[in-house]
Amino acid sequence: SQQGEEDPQALSIQEGENATMNCSYKTSINNLQWYRQNSGRGLVHLILIRSNEREKHSGRLRVTLDTSKKSSSLLITASRAADTASYFCASQQYNFNKFYFGSGTKLNVKP
Amino acid sequence: GAVVSQHPSWVICKSGTSVKIECRSLDFQATTMFWYRQFPKQSLMLMATSNEGSKATYEQGVEKDKFLINHASLTLSTLTVTSAHPEDSSFYICSASGRVTDTQYFGPGTRLTVL
Repeated sequence: SQQGEEDPQALSIQEGENATMNCSYKTSINNLQWYRQNSGRGLVHLILIRSNEREKHSGRLRVTLDTSKKSSSLLITASRAADTASYFCASQQYNFNKFYFGSGTKLNVKP
Repeated sequence: GAVVSQHPSWVICKSGTSVKIECRSLDFQATTMFWYRQFPKQSLMLMATSNEGSKATYEQGVEKDKFLINHASLTLSTLTVTSAHPEDSSFYICSASGRVTDTQYFGPGTRLTVL
């Protein structure tokens, strides 16, 4: 399968709590990106982390990358009901201009 | 950010017919375009990568004669689903990247329903 794995598959939390989702990928990468998708809609780009970076922040988002373990995590702090969506990681293959998506985490933030 | 459009946003067709989906980059030159398929409650599966003026590169398991991709200009790629069947019903999403190859811009998707 071209897909990497994400866990958990589904996550339900209360508003204000933090949400952490993890992503693993299979091959060497140039970068890894996180996207959000509301039900039946297009993708929204959240954050990009390059293979030589270990951590990156953007607003309430924090992403880490461990290339030795071929894994990444996305932390959303102080979650809001509007964060309810599916979250996907996408890894850009090293030396190839194409992207493979992880299996996704469905986040439900209860008000 | 750059804008990518898709047309149509949804289409319903009869089994056996062919359907063409357009993907356009509106404000940049897309040297590479990608086509993905997404089944309900699943992730995006890369179908093919196309570079302007050359043949598309298909992922393993994707039938190139069934899913015809044309990338004739730097702003337009088309995906034609030939002889569509109900199992081809899916959400098809395109994306495009330009000279900055680590960034891809996604279209809003096309929902195909084959009756």
